[in-house]
Amino acid sequence: DQQVKQNSPSLSVQEGRISILNCDYTNSMFDYFLWYKKYPAEGPTFLISISSIKDKNEDGRFTVFLNKSAKHLSLHIVPSQPGDSAVYFCAASDGGTSYGKLTFGQGTILTVHP
Amino acid sequence: SQTIHQWPATLVQPVGSPLSLECTVEGTSNPNLYWYRQAAGRGLQLLFYSVGIGQISSEVPQNLSASRPQDRQFILSSKKLLLSDSGFYLCAWSPQGASIQYFGAGTRLSVL
Repeated sequence: DQQVKQNSPSLSVQEGRISILNCDYTNSMFDYFLWYKKYPAEGPTFLISISSIKDKNEDGRFTVFLNKSAKHLSLHIVPSQPGDSAVYFCAASDGGTSYGKLTFGQGTILTVHP
Repeated sequence: SQTIHQWPATLVQPVGSPLSLECTVEGTSNPNLYWYRQAAGRGLQLLFYSVGIGQISSEVPQNLSASRPQDRQFILSSKKLLLSDSGFYLCAWSPQGASIQYFGAGTRLSVL
C-alpha cells in the first residue's frame, strides 16, 4: 500500500524551462509535505516544504503547490538549471506520530539538458 | 550548526558476516534518529527510529537491528548478512517534534 506516489519515474527538460514534478498521496491524515533532492551516492537534501494549511510555498526558483482536495502536490523549478539534475523525492508527514515519520515516494529522476 | 556523519561510505561483505554501520550527529541534543534503506530504483524505506537513548522502534521485520548507546549515536547491525541486505543505507536526524529530517551521506552495502 503505497501512500505516497510519484508516477513519473523520469522527466527531461531544457535548461531555462520549467520543471514540474508531481506527487499524489492517499492518506488524508498527512499534514506536512516535503521535497528532497538526491544526487547519486549521496544522502537526500531537504529542498522545500509546505503545511496543509497552505496551498503554495515559494523559495527562490522552487515553488511547491498543494491541492488538498485532489491529494496532489507539485514542485515547480523555474528556470531549470543543469545542476538541478537529480532524483527528487516527495515525502509526507502525519502530525499525529510522535517521531515525525516521513513516508516517501519512489522518486523522479530529473534531467536538465544544457 | 548541526552535522551528521555516517560511515563507511561503501562496504562489501560476504554473506553470513556481521555488520555494523555507525551514525553520529553533532551540534544538537536529544534528536530523533532514523535508519532508512533505499533499494535500487525505489524510494526510501524506514527501518528503525529512535526518540531517545535505548529507545528503538522497528518499522519492518528484517535481519537487522539498531541500537542507540549514546544520545547522538545510532548503530545499525546484523549478526549474519543476507544477499537481500544489499542496498544504500541512510541515517537521518530531526529535532524533537519537527518533521524535517536531515540525512547523512549514506553507505552503499554490497553483500556477495
